[in-house]
Amino acid sequence: GAVVSQHPSWVICKSGTSVKIECRSLDFQATTMFWYRQFPKQSLMLMATSNEGSKATYEQGVEKDKFLINHASLTLSTLTVTSAHPEDSSFYICSARRGTGSYEQYFGPGTRLTVT
Amino acid sequence: TQLLEQSPQFLSIQEGENLTVYCNSSSVFSSLQWYRQEPGEGPVLLVTVVTGGEVKKLKRLTFQFGDARKDSSLHITAAQPGDTGLYLCAGARGKLIFGQGTELSVKP
Repeated sequence: GAVVSQHPSWVICKSGTSVKIECRSLDFQATTMFWYRQFPKQSLMLMATSNEGSKATYEQGVEKDKFLINHASLTLSTLTVTSAHPEDSSFYICSARRGTGSYEQYFGPGTRLTVT
Repeated sequence: TQLLEQSPQFLSIQEGENLTVYCNSSSVFSSLQWYRQEPGEGPVLLVTVVTGGEVKKLKRLTFQFGDARKDSSLHITAAQPGDTGLYLCAGARGKLIFGQGTELSVKP
């Protein structure tokens, strides 16, 4: 068990439009999900922590009005990139933590966003 | 300042060689995870170490957690081309703190 899916796996959008990325835990309930951004050949950069039923906690330097996060259920979190610009092009990865007593995170396959 | 220093950041070796990747910090972690990531995919959890001095083996991979729970190492014996990928260590301190990653290339 511990499978996390992301949809879409890749998306191309025009500058100024908004894009929604879904993250689902398929076989477990995740009270906490995380959103990361990753540039080529680099490590993961945490953007925000998403807790089911409450507001997300954003890392310093991440614009909460630009990267809208919703964690409406124990199996689904969404990241909406609003008014996307070419500099938002990146690989976005979500992860889910199973249970509250574990720090193990299970990652989705990622979403490649390209803004033209 | 990087909280978790991972080294080396790039490693290119021949098939059959051994290698070690290090993660070092001045901070104590409650646990430390190692992940492997292939291009265009999400990281896959390899192992979690929790106890200071703990050693875990996963086939040709050996993971060690430092006695003081501030550092960890990953040793690969007789590397194979299939081991190629980005290896990430991540320490738990309320949230996961990732190292910079080690890009490993194993040439046949």
